[in-house]
Amino acid sequence: AQRVTQVQPTGSSQWGEEVTLDCSYETSEYFYRIFWYRQLFSGEMVFLIYQPSFDTQNQRSGRYSVVFQKSFKSISLVISASQPEDSGTYFCALSEPSGKLTFGEGTQVTVIS
Amino acid sequence: NAGVIQTPRHKVTGKGQEATLWCEPISGHSAVFWYRQTIVQGLEFLTYFRNQAPIDDSGMPKERFSAQMPNQSHSTLKIQSTQPQDSAVYLCASSSDWGGSYAEQFFGPGTRLTVL
Repeated sequence: AQRVTQVQPTGSSQWGEEVTLDCSYETSEYFYRIFWYRQLFSGEMVFLIYQPSFDTQNQRSGRYSVVFQKSFKSISLVISASQPEDSGTYFCALSEPSGKLTFGEGTQVTVIS
Repeated sequence: NAGVIQTPRHKVTGKGQEATLWCEPISGHSAVFWYRQTIVQGLEFLTYFRNQAPIDDSGMPKERFSAQMPNQSHSTLKIQSTQPQDSAVYLCASSSDWGGSYAEQFFGPGTRLTVL
């Protein structure tokens, strides 16, 4: 069975600081993807970045990057130069080959200006 | 591109009534997914369709819940005889197909169902 764990329920940072959010997962699949989403206070889910299991390079997209440790089945989302508009709940999600997502519990982030 | 559309945004039903939730995926996307979000259970997968065909409904409660996708432009999630424990935000997402595997899922704003 697939499982995703985010042990940090909350986090905060000052404007301009780097934020790191951790995620660990369990899967027996060889090919999979890890997605990161941010849920705004309105409830909207916004896609941020994803890491495919077969790619050893850490993915980057704008101010978002990941640190992928496949052998440990862990992945961290790094937000550089955090801004107040980065506040929200961040979800790590594991994608099976079928496409359906298994989500972690989420980490609520507050960036203080 | 209007994004994924979900209607209604809010729905209040009495215990035992029926609720039908609508989802319009992004045009051209071949997969539609339904999830449910509650404080206690978090985000849970319910069911999904690929090219309108039901593929996996392993997350659907066996009784009272059903989903359909009669055409490529909309999907419905129906809950019969609603119970207070069905209260949740129901999220619909769509995705394009990359030769059998999927790109990121784009989520709608959700329907908040409250069962009194």
